[in-house]
Amino acid sequence: AQSVAQPEDQVNVAEGNPLTVKCTYSVSGNPYLFWYVQYPNRGLQFLLKYITGDNLVKGSYGFEAEFNKSQTSFHLKKPSALVSDSALYFCAGDGSSNTGKLIFGQGTTLQVKP
Amino acid sequence: DSGVTQTPKHLITATGQRVTLRCSPRSGDLSVYWYQQSLDQGLQFLIQYYNGEERAKGNILERFSAQQFPDLHSELNLSSLELGDSALYFCASSVGGRQSTDTQYFGPGTRLTVL
Repeated sequence: AQSVAQPEDQVNVAEGNPLTVKCTYSVSGNPYLFWYVQYPNRGLQFLLKYITGDNLVKGSYGFEAEFNKSQTSFHLKKPSALVSDSALYFCAGDGSSNTGKLIFGQGTTLQVKP
Repeated sequence: DSGVTQTPKHLITATGQRVTLRCSPRSGDLSVYWYQQSLDQGLQFLIQYYNGEERAKGNILERFSAQQFPDLHSELNLSSLELGDSALYFCASSVGGRQSTDTQYFGPGTRLTVL
């Protein structure tokens, strides 16, 4: 069965420090992977996606993600965290099902402290 | 603002009732997706429509149904509501619907509370 996992319920970092939000996947075929962010009482906002090509994907708001096929991971990163980055982050994947049906991880709450 | 609109924002109803959630996709998008977000189940894909036709089905209960109209807006109908149906329901849209690589853009959601 296809799955996406986010092993950490919460990540705490200090403002200005680098942040990493982890994601691992298990999908058949070529993995298509996405990161979304959800602020309180808001919908999900698209950050970035990996389809093919360069393993380092750059996205919105200074975020980037590194695709690692051997470790089946797609971790979200940012060199310097902001307090305003505090939100709920979702990793999602689709294993070439050719439909767009996304499988979401359980979400990771990022808390950036001043 | 993603360009995807959903109405209503909040809905409070009683068990056994029926409700309709509405979604308007971004201009030019042909696909509409419905997702349910609850505390115990997380974010789950329900159903996808592409240009008026059902394209993919997920964990959607038989009490739930959806359709996409010629103007591409979509409605999700929930009937015989149970307490466990209380959740945030999201609609998303994408340009196509035949490629897993399309980015889905999400609406603000409809919060359904069943009392």
